[in-house]
Amino acid sequence: DAGVIQSPRHEVTEMGQEVTLRCKPISGHDYLFWYRQTMMRGLELLIYFNNNVPIDDSGMPEDRFSAKMPNASFSTLKIQPSEPRDSAVYFCASTPYYSGGKHTNTDTQYFGPGTRLTVL
Amino acid sequence: AQSVAQPEDQVNVAEGNPLTVKCTYSVSGNPYLFWYVQYPNRGLQFLLKYITGDNLVKGSYGFEAEFNKSQTSFHLKKPSALVSDSALYFCAVRDSSNTGKLIFGQGTTLQVKP
Repeated sequence: DAGVIQSPRHEVTEMGQEVTLRCKPISGHDYLFWYRQTMMRGLELLIYFNNNVPIDDSGMPEDRFSAKMPNASFSTLKIQPSEPRDSAVYFCASTPYYSGGKHTNTDTQYFGPGTRLTVL
Repeated sequence: AQSVAQPEDQVNVAEGNPLTVKCTYSVSGNPYLFWYVQYPNRGLQFLLKYITGDNLVKGSYGFEAEFNKSQTSFHLKKPSALVSDSALYFCAVRDSSNTGKLIFGQGTTLQVKP
């Protein structure tokens, strides 16, 4: 398996522009997580999905942030409009919490390489 | 609420010496504990986990962690550090909501000097 795939790896944009980050989880994983990492705040959970349904979006900082998961193999995180304080590395992770109809009890999350976002 | 604490922002150790990266936790119920490593410009990688059983858990790259229930600790250890072990290390605990969510610590930077 190729692992969790994120695109783009780097994004530089200007304040006010719309930014869309993309994630393809590992096939068969039924949980997907979006994180943001900054020096000041460390690793923050933004939102996570189970079977394509958002479960907890309490970590989404503002209404400018939105996330979707239209199918089991694709998710997007959108920022509109972007601001310089959104500059960070954004990670996507997935986990096979259930496998074959059974609770795997693993909780091991597999992370993508991240998208480094710079908003000027 | 579940939480983890990594009391050290940075740990410095000489190559060949043993290393310890500290983690303490606070949970309701049985703890499910994890260590992840992040190399520069990379995503987090799973190292090891404690679910139940032996208090000494062995993981990837020669790392191990010792679960201590009385001290609510889960320290990461390695008998002989390598320069290539230099990275950012995160301790995590499974959230009590039982939804696959993990609560991560702030991270500890390990610097191994030749």
